[in-house]
Amino acid sequence: GQQVMQIPQYQHVQEGEDFTTYCNSSTTLSNIQWYKQRPGGHPVFLIQLVKSGEVKKQKRLTFQFGEAKKNSSLHITATQTTDVGTYFCAVTAYSGAGSYQLTFGKGTKLSVIP
Amino acid sequence: DAGVIQSPRHEVTEMGQEVTLRCKPISGHDYLFWYRQTMMRGLELLIYFNNNVPIDDSGMPEDRFSAKMPNASFSTLKIQPSEPRDSAVYFCASRSFRTANYGYTFGSGTRLTVV
Repeated sequence: GQQVMQIPQYQHVQEGEDFTTYCNSSTTLSNIQWYKQRPGGHPVFLIQLVKSGEVKKQKRLTFQFGEAKKNSSLHITATQTTDVGTYFCAVTAYSGAGSYQLTFGKGTKLSVIP
Repeated sequence: DAGVIQSPRHEVTEMGQEVTLRCKPISGHDYLFWYRQTMMRGLELLIYFNNNVPIDDSGMPEDRFSAKMPNASFSTLKIQPSEPRDSAVYFCASRSFRTANYGYTFGSGTRLTVV
């Protein structure tokens, strides 16, 4: 099935610093979703990107979809302790027999040092 | 809306015992998904249903795992017999493809420990 590589696996930042996580695919994606999972919590949907070169913002979060629709990034400006958690990208791929699966990357675990 | 509701939140069982995990999706959502999360393998899709019908169970590890959705408001994931390697967090998620909200809504998960 569709696989995506997500980097880095871990990121430790000082509060106030910026943070970026990247998601890369070897094939063209139809769309990409981003989720956040707080420690001990469950994944929470953040956004979906569909168009080539699309950029969307949610307060301090900026999401980008590459021109070739093979990569995406999530950038957080001036991190806060509330940003702590694991950020996942997820892609939809056709897996045969009419089945579409949402496959998750391994995630980037963000730690914020106060 | 109460969101996706899973029970129990935690389950500790002995190897060989039967385990049943339960899920109530969001009302009106026509898709239901079971995911498993471990440190080693991340989030894996086990099975999903559309309008209560299983569509893709290729992620189910083996015959010890089974899932049902007898109606639109209830699904179960059963492991029989359970093994220590089944220890993980099991999430249920739902969504509707009839709305513009494309994201999956996850339940709080069931943390399963098999000893």
